[in-house]
Amino acid sequence: AQSVTQLGSHVSVSEGALVLLRCNYSSSVPPYLFWYVQYPNQGLQLLLKYTSAATLVKGINGFEAEFKKSETSFHLTKPSAHMSDAAEYFCASPLNFGNEKLTFGTGTRLTIIP
Amino acid sequence: DVKVTQSSRYLVKRTGEKVFLECVQDMDHENMFWYRQDPGLGLRLIYFSYDVKMKEKGDIPEGYSVSREKKERFSLILESASTNQTSMYLCASGGVWGNTGEAFFGQGTRLTVV
Repeated sequence: AQSVTQLGSHVSVSEGALVLLRCNYSSSVPPYLFWYVQYPNQGLQLLLKYTSAATLVKGINGFEAEFKKSETSFHLTKPSAHMSDAAEYFCASPLNFGNEKLTFGTGTRLTIIP
Repeated sequence: DVKVTQSSRYLVKRTGEKVFLECVQDMDHENMFWYRQDPGLGLRLIYFSYDVKMKEKGDIPEGYSVSREKKERFSLILESASTNQTSMYLCASGGVWGNTGEAFFGQGTRLTVV
């Protein structure tokens, strides 16, 4: 079955260090890929999305993600972590063209160490 | 800004009660969704509505029903609440395709069934 997989349910980085959150999709190329962020006691907010226009996608708050077909990956990065980045991050995809229903990964909780 | 409003942030209900979770969106979106969020499982789709009075089952519809009598309002109903329905419930509107381009989420309702 097609799926979205996030490796690492918890990631800790020091303030100022590189943030790398991993997302892999199943082998069929998904039409769109999303990264959402959820701050404590909040709903989900869109960080960025890949729509096949460009493989490197820039989002809000300094985050970016690169679509790599050869690795079936869409990893999220930020060069320098800030305390305010502490949140849970979800990768998602509709998996098929025309499908409105998003399939989510299991999430990665990011902790920032002062 | 798009606003998706869930009627309650926190609810405590007793086993066997009928529970209504309400969601209202102000952007005239055709699509609305109910997701359930549990630690380690990410978000799972309960029901999806693509128009007034139209609905589709998601991945985990058992024990739930929905109602969409007006375009802006999508209700999730727990016919007889059980302890295993204790969870965070997230409503969303919008969609991946067309002008919307993303799903917009409400703040969530944390339901505890005792």
